[in-house]
Amino acid sequence: QKEVEQDPGPLSVPEGAIVSLNCTYSNSAFQYFMWYRQYSRKGPELLMYTYSSGNKEDGRFTAQVDKSSKYISLFIRDSQPSDSATYLCAMSPISSGSARQLTFGSGTQLTVLP
Amino acid sequence: DGGITQSPKYLFRKEGQNVTLSCEQNLNHDAMYWYRQDPGQGLRLIYYSQIVNDFQKGDIAEGYSVSREKKESFPLTVTSAQKNPTAFYLCASTPPENEKLFFGSGTQLSVL
Repeated sequence: QKEVEQDPGPLSVPEGAIVSLNCTYSNSAFQYFMWYRQYSRKGPELLMYTYSSGNKEDGRFTAQVDKSSKYISLFIRDSQPSDSATYLCAMSPISSGSARQLTFGSGTQLTVLP
Repeated sequence: DGGITQSPKYLFRKEGQNVTLSCEQNLNHDAMYWYRQDPGQGLRLIYYSQIVNDFQKGDIAEGYSVSREKKESFPLTVTSAQKNPTAFYLCASTPPENEKLFFGSGTQLSVL
């Protein structure tokens, strides 16, 4: 079993829809959670970074962490065609000042149809 | 503009050949990383370097080598010992005391 599981999709939604992207994990030591967005054939870029359980909002994006269920989500409101990308979750057991212990999900491919 | 520059964008390797992927950053970050990305798999760490003249193996270092002679540069060599080199290679760096990765645009390596 992988430490981090992420549904690969592909996921297609109409413009304006609310999108829910999810990751589950098995290592209860994970404390820091990130979401990266990766456009086709480009490097990932950091979207959201959270530590505690609960919700964190940034514009149209909300990151949710449920440590008791070992489940994290990224919600995108009012989705736009420019949101079409692959979304990668990543998590780390400690804030070590190094990405050495970061574990990535395999990514969910999202297409927002105009 | 600060950032990470990877070159070339596309690279082809013949059997038995070593090839080198370039990674240069002007973010003044100490730590740099090389990841491999295969379809349907998460990013896997090949090598990382926390400081000049020092580097450590990641999870899949076999068949790869690196050097870190300058803070700005962290080239990756894919050796002939790497039997399945076809993948998208990503270079990244992190600011001090931080695990938030900044990535380059990647190099697609294919075998002829």
